[in-house]
Amino acid sequence: GAGVSQSPSNKVTEKGKDVELRCDPISGHTALYWYRQSLGQGLEFLIYFQGNSAPDKSGLPSDRFSAERTGGSVSTLTIQRTQQEDSAVYLCASSTEGTGELFFGEGSRLTVL
Amino acid sequence: GNSVTQMEGPVTLSEEAFLTINCTYTATGYPSLFWYVQYPGEGLQLLLKATKADDKGSNKGFEATYRKETTSFHLEKGSVQVSDSAVYFCALTAARQLTFGSGTQLTVLP
Repeated sequence: GAGVSQSPSNKVTEKGKDVELRCDPISGHTALYWYRQSLGQGLEFLIYFQGNSAPDKSGLPSDRFSAERTGGSVSTLTIQRTQQEDSAVYLCASSTEGTGELFFGEGSRLTVL
Repeated sequence: GNSVTQMEGPVTLSEEAFLTINCTYTATGYPSLFWYVQYPGEGLQLLLKATKADDKGSNKGFEATYRKETTSFHLEKGSVQVSDSAVYFCALTAARQLTFGSGTQLTVLP
């Protein structure tokens, strides 16, 4: 498709389980971002990938969170041993380098019971 | 560090009213400034941007001027419509990160 695609759109899991969230960016976009949007809160930066450079992981809230980007395209955000405070909408965005204009997916809503 | 402070919502207006959503920022260097909008059930999308001081971004009747002296980027629209109901986010980019404000919920009543 033409836009950023995220899956699943909704995920309900039990506390302590691992989850994987997937992002398929716009073709040709070299930059990929993950953000988290909690209820009533702004967007919290998690991680940024740019081409083949080392990712900027400065926003990851704990070592339970990790992300990878394979072949400079699809990215997976993994949350291990989920906690209730991980419940949020996880947003992925992509952009061409240097423009500052991000194109967002519709997000993956994670609910941890 | 970089930060964005937005006017708290929610904001409720009648159709054709004038809208202002305040946004101020703190940043080192010379950031680019953005307004993003999130319509109900949709992903965030760029509304307008300004890349240097005194630039005015505009789109869909919305405007915002990059004011370096007051470190502000207030969003304005002269006559809002019901279809403008959404959450509006002010943001800045610096060091390759886009830092967002907390968002302002706007509801426009017919």
